[in-house]
Amino acid sequence: HVKVVESGGDVIQPGGSLRLSCVTSGFNFTNYGMHWVRQAPGRGLEWVAVISYDEKDRKYGDSVKGRFTISRDTSKNAWYLQMNNLTEEDTAVYYCARNTGKNREYFGVGVWGQGTTVVVSS
Amino acid sequence: ILMTQSPLSLTVTPGESASISCTSNQSLLHKNGHKYLDWYLQKPGQSPQLLIFLTFSRASGVPDRISGSGSGTDFTLEINEVEAEDVGVYYCMQALQTPRTFGQGTKLHIK
Repeated sequence: HVKVVESGGDVIQPGGSLRLSCVTSGFNFTNYGMHWVRQAPGRGLEWVAVISYDEKDRKYGDSVKGRFTISRDTSKNAWYLQMNNLTEEDTAVYYCARNTGKNREYFGVGVWGQGTTVVVSS
Repeated sequence: ILMTQSPLSLTVTPGESASISCTSNQSLLHKNGHKYLDWYLQKPGQSPQLLIFLTFSRASGVPDRISGSGSGTDFTLEINEVEAEDVGVYYCMQALQTPRTFGQGTKLHIK
């Protein structure tokens, strides 16, 4: 059964750092690109970052560029989002989501986790 | 790429149809001939789920009463014979380039 599970959300002060994890199961980890998408309280979806299946491409949303870093650890079947210099505007539920298609195929983003909550507050 | 949805809220009687529009400020047509526009549904209290990818292709398990269409910049999601389970917020997302961008979302209510 294909599954992605996020963790690492917490309450943190402005200026702090946090690393979110997304552990996967049920599929060959290295065949798929993965996204982080966030949703601030009462707001819509905001795309945050993507890492390609082969790790060669990493792209970021404008609001997080230079502060967030997406990565993965193949040995742990896990993707990560390192978040630095957090501000209150980063408060949101963070979802990891996997591409449906393998490698460069595109069939939408079809596997989503349940989300992990980050609250940035003094 | 800026994505604009309308309406932002929609109330439909069960059994009737619903239509949601999504417009991009530049063409989503790739040189491979596909238009990179997806639709996602976020049901109350749940994570988003994929409905439609590449403008009109249904994701696995999506009923055929849900369909997508569109040109390079104007896209439509149609839901026929609306059911109670269709309640939620519908988002379009362009997948042509990064950063990916979502529409504001359209909240579907059942009368």
